[in-house]
Amino acid sequence: GAVVSQHPSRVICKSGTSVKIECRSLDFQATTMFWYRQFPKQSLMLMATSNEGSKATYEQGVEKDKFLINHASLTLSTLTVTSAHPEDSSFYICSAQGQVKPYEQYFGPGTRLTVT
Amino acid sequence: DAKTTQPNSMESNEEEPVHLPCNHSTISGTDYIHWYRQLPSQGPEYVIHGLTSNVNNRMASLAIAEDRKSSTLILHRATLRDAAVYYCILRGSGGYQKVTFGTGTKLQVIP
Repeated sequence: GAVVSQHPSRVICKSGTSVKIECRSLDFQATTMFWYRQFPKQSLMLMATSNEGSKATYEQGVEKDKFLINHASLTLSTLTVTSAHPEDSSFYICSAQGQVKPYEQYFGPGTRLTVT
Repeated sequence: DAKTTQPNSMESNEEEPVHLPCNHSTISGTDYIHWYRQLPSQGPEYVIHGLTSNVNNRMASLAIAEDRKSSTLILHRATLRDAAVYYCILRGSGGYQKVTFGTGTKLQVIP
């Protein structure tokens, strides 16, 4: 199946700093990428959807100025958590969808963010 | 988004078949039924999907009710590596379609 990578896999940052998470589709062109957040023992919560070259569409309750999403190419999307606080500590997962099989979504391995 | 309902948890003995149910009574005619699973501290992994007919792949089988209001994911012989949270999801067929996760079923496999 298609491969989606995320970098870094784990990051610890201090409160008030910004953190960038990269999501790459390695063997296909991702026309759409999705960003999810998952708190311990909870399900994945969709944060935003981004189409290559367009502004991201955020889900209700997700602050677009805090979670900056860039989808500059067909293989790369980034999520920047700005001015991170301890409550932003979570597991962030991206997924990518291609043109050939738009009904399939491929998920990255996730990034564990800890804000101290 | 059409909703799905799954049991919170299930147990199975190793080497035994497992049937994971999912109810989706508000499914629309163009919704595909997708199953993903998530191992601890990993991203979800695609398992199988179908529209109307039953489907088989190397990982599992998907049995879809004739009225499409429910489906069952079948793991033919559970292994310890199958212990995960299994999500049943409905997704439209064309263009960009976001996937919304429910609570899923946590499968415990007993040696």
